Amino acid sequence: SAVISQKPSRDICQRGTSLTIQCQVDSQVTMMFWYRQQPGQSLTLIATANQGSEATYESGFVIDKFPISRPNLTFSTLTVSNMSPEDSSIYLCSVEAGVNTEAFFGQGTRLTVV
Amino acid sequence: GQNIDQPTEMTATEGAIVQINCTYQTSGFNGLFWYQQHAGEAPTFLSYNVLDGLEEKGRFSSFLSRSKGYSYLLLKELQMKDSASYLCAVTRDSNYQLIWGAGTKLIIKP
Repeated sequence: SAVISQKPSRDICQRGTSLTIQCQVDSQVTMMFWYRQQPGQSLTLIATANQGSEATYESGFVIDKFPISRPNLTFSTLTVSNMSPEDSSIYLCSVEAGVNTEAFFGQGTRLTVV
Repeated sequence: GQNIDQPTEMTATEGAIVQINCTYQTSGFNGLFWYQQHAGEAPTFLSYNVLDGLEEKGRFSSFLSRSKGYSYLLLKELQMKDSASYLCAVTRDSNYQLIWGAGTKLIIKP
């Protein structure tokens, strides 16, 4: 199993500013995933973060808007840049210990942009 | 391509049984997960099916038919705390990434 500490748990931000979300895992993992979940919706994958290489972004998400760092095998950050109210959502980090192993999630960050 | 379908919302009565269906179309299918998500919280793991058949775990059971691209989650003796969204997700061969369904919001009434 993996325990993930994600922070902040929530924040209210002004439009045009940026917020960095951190996830710390209690064990080394190959891949970390960043998701967005808008109210009443399912999980949408933003990007896959690999240690030592650039993150892989899904269609509709770009590095300039959601820069990701993965400095080592236990830590990653996601930045939501130049925020607008449309970015208000829950952001979740996740790790999967291996193929066909359950995904573990951080507690989530509830972001409100005003 | 890949596609996962689940009902958007279901309602059931406390103490009853409810079945939440999930159908999928995906290349290289390997296994299917069910997760529970309470409002404002992260998803939590419920079950994982790789082989055809029923996996029972207390009040919750999950079924998979690989040939039909079909799974269901069966919840027995429903309790008010079971009110949540239930997400199915599939994995593909040689791929760490989960493909998520939209989730089924389950409402339990007294």
